[in-house]
Amino acid sequence: DSGVTQTPKHLITATGQRVTLRCSPRSGDLSVYWYQQSLDQGLQFLIQYYNGEERAKGNILERFSAQQFPDLHSELNLSSLELGDSALYFCASSVQGGQGEAFFGQGTRLTVV
Amino acid sequence: DAKTTQPNSMESNEEEPVHLPCNHSTISGTDYIHWYRQLPSQGPEYVIHGLTSNVNNRMASLAIAEDRKSSTLILHRATLRDAAVYYCILKTGANNLFFGTGTRLTVIP
Repeated sequence: DSGVTQTPKHLITATGQRVTLRCSPRSGDLSVYWYQQSLDQGLQFLIQYYNGEERAKGNILERFSAQQFPDLHSELNLSSLELGDSALYFCASSVQGGQGEAFFGQGTRLTVV
Repeated sequence: DAKTTQPNSMESNEEEPVHLPCNHSTISGTDYIHWYRQLPSQGPEYVIHGLTSNVNNRMASLAIAEDRKSSTLILHRATLRDAAVYYCILKTGANNLFFGTGTRLTVIP
């Protein structure tokens, strides 16, 4: 158990819909990262937050947004969903976002039908 | 982001040592070498990281070439539980982990 909790574990929704994925980082970790893993793209970095502020952006679509709340949990919002958004979405956390290890959750499997 | 090159797949017999290579010829002086692995149906898991000197921990050893253009992750006795995709990643400061395609390790009983 990494200490990072992601909910829900599975999500099935229709095209055009909007969903919210939730991540609770390890206690004390200030940095949260979101990754998308699809079969043909591998693990793609989406976005990072540090203590409530956006720190870095990767290959995140404009239809996607995220935030980190004062209690340090984070949410990833995916809207106008397309079939190609079906993937595993991982959240990771680390203490400061430096060279220390990152701890990954078990992921949310999103299926868009 | 600096690039790493790893073999797509490797096989090892159970209880034998495994050496997983990684080439990173464009590594910069501030890049740390990180290794993560991803077991089937799980999120990635930290294995080890280092800068210049060889590193050991309870999971593995990391051997870094003197010129730092390559490194090798060493699993001293492979078990079936070590079957996973192993990612070699270069990380600078607070920059994020950018995963490549990794090496899929198969452990043969």
